[in-house]
Amino acid sequence: GQQLNQSPQSMFIQEGEDVSMNCTSSSIFNTWLWYKQDPGEGPVLLIALYKAGELTSNGRLTAQFGITRKDSFLNISASIPSDVGIYFCAGRILGSSNTGKLIFGQGTTLQVKP
Amino acid sequence: KAGVTQTPRYLIKTRGQQVTLSCSPISGHRSVSWYQQTPGQGLQFLFEYFSETQRNKGNFPGRFSGRQFSNSRSEMNVSTLELGDSALYLCASSAGTVGEAFFGQGTRLTVV
Repeated sequence: GQQLNQSPQSMFIQEGEDVSMNCTSSSIFNTWLWYKQDPGEGPVLLIALYKAGELTSNGRLTAQFGITRKDSFLNISASIPSDVGIYFCAGRILGSSNTGKLIFGQGTTLQVKP
Repeated sequence: KAGVTQTPRYLIKTRGQQVTLSCSPISGHRSVSWYQQTPGQGLQFLFEYFSETQRNKGNFPGRFSGRQFSNSRSEMNVSTLELGDSALYLCASSAGTVGEAFFGQGTRLTVV
């Protein structure tokens, strides 16, 4: 089936540290999206990527669309307590049968110690 | 610009009942997709509507259905509720087939 492997599953870091997480798949993606979700809320879009090799930043967040189109990573620099939450990667797989469908990773739970 | 609005935020239903959830997408967006989020399965795609037509459907039983109206608002219906249907149901709004997808706050459904 169509799956995204996201790692790590959880991270517990010190405030000020940098964070890196990634997603990989055996399928080719034409879109990668990164979201953050707080408890009881819907996912909030952080970064969108559309081209292989694309590197995009949003404040302290940087994400890249892998060259093979099968992976993506998200970096958070100089973490702060409000970065706490669950981060999801999501992507659209190439092909008409996948129209409008996002495949999600399992999520990375980030905890930041002040 | 208003975001994606889902109603209601919380629902408690009894097994065997049916439920209807509503989603109003961002103004101008024509694509609405629905997802089920549970601790065990994560976020799973239910279906996607574009200009009142269902374009794609996930691997859920026929008890799960949806529709989209001419103003792009969408509803999803779950009939004959089961305990396992308890989940956070999320709707996402997109301008088209590809591109960014923006989520609502979700509807928390509890089946007892």
